[in-house]
Amino acid sequence: NAGVTQTPKFQVLKTGQSMTLQCAQDMNHEYMSWYRQDPGMGLRLIHYSVGAGITDQGEVPNGYNVSRSTTEDFPLRLLSAAPSQTSVYFCASSWGPGQANNEQFFGPGTRLTVL
Amino acid sequence: DAKTTQPPSMDCAEGRAANLPCNHSTISGNEYVYWYRQIHSQGPQYIIHGLKNNETNEMASLIITEDRKSSTLILPHATLRDTAVYYCIVRREYGNKLVFGAGTILRVKS
Repeated sequence: NAGVTQTPKFQVLKTGQSMTLQCAQDMNHEYMSWYRQDPGMGLRLIHYSVGAGITDQGEVPNGYNVSRSTTEDFPLRLLSAAPSQTSVYFCASSWGPGQANNEQFFGPGTRLTVL
Repeated sequence: DAKTTQPPSMDCAEGRAANLPCNHSTISGNEYVYWYRQIHSQGPQYIIHGLKNNETNEMASLIITEDRKSSTLILPHATLRDTAVYYCIVRREYGNKLVFGAGTILRVKS
């Protein structure tokens, strides 16, 4: 099992550019989510999905879009990058909310800088 | 989900037990206590979780007070590789969302 994979590892964008951060998992997990982590702070939830075709907003969704067309993939799109979106982005997956033990598995992160 | 309070940092000597406290005084009856850690900007890693009984696994032990308002994560023999940020999170039994605070920076020193 590769677990949760994220690409790219590093990315530099100019203000106004768009891009997609990729996330994939091979554990057949129903639940997937995106977090961002700013320097010296804990992770904050951006968007999450409880299954293919179902997504919802987290704590800080503005400026980001997601879709979930398959169980395995959960891409995060930045529509028009802003310097405030400079952060480290983590994708995570786990079994669905119906499972009592919902250990979340995190990817290695994507380090994004917006100039 | 209930909020948690943790000390910002702690030091521990290598080979000694590391005891990381967490206060969650507003925890509800169906909320679990979860611990994750993050080593040097890697993705967070699950450690252990519990409801009201003490729990132990190969990584750590979790001690929850009888009133469930606080808990302690114990790393029995800390090594340098245990240096990390440790997050205490309270979460509903069948929920998935994790609300991260600032955590505790644990520095294990030789």
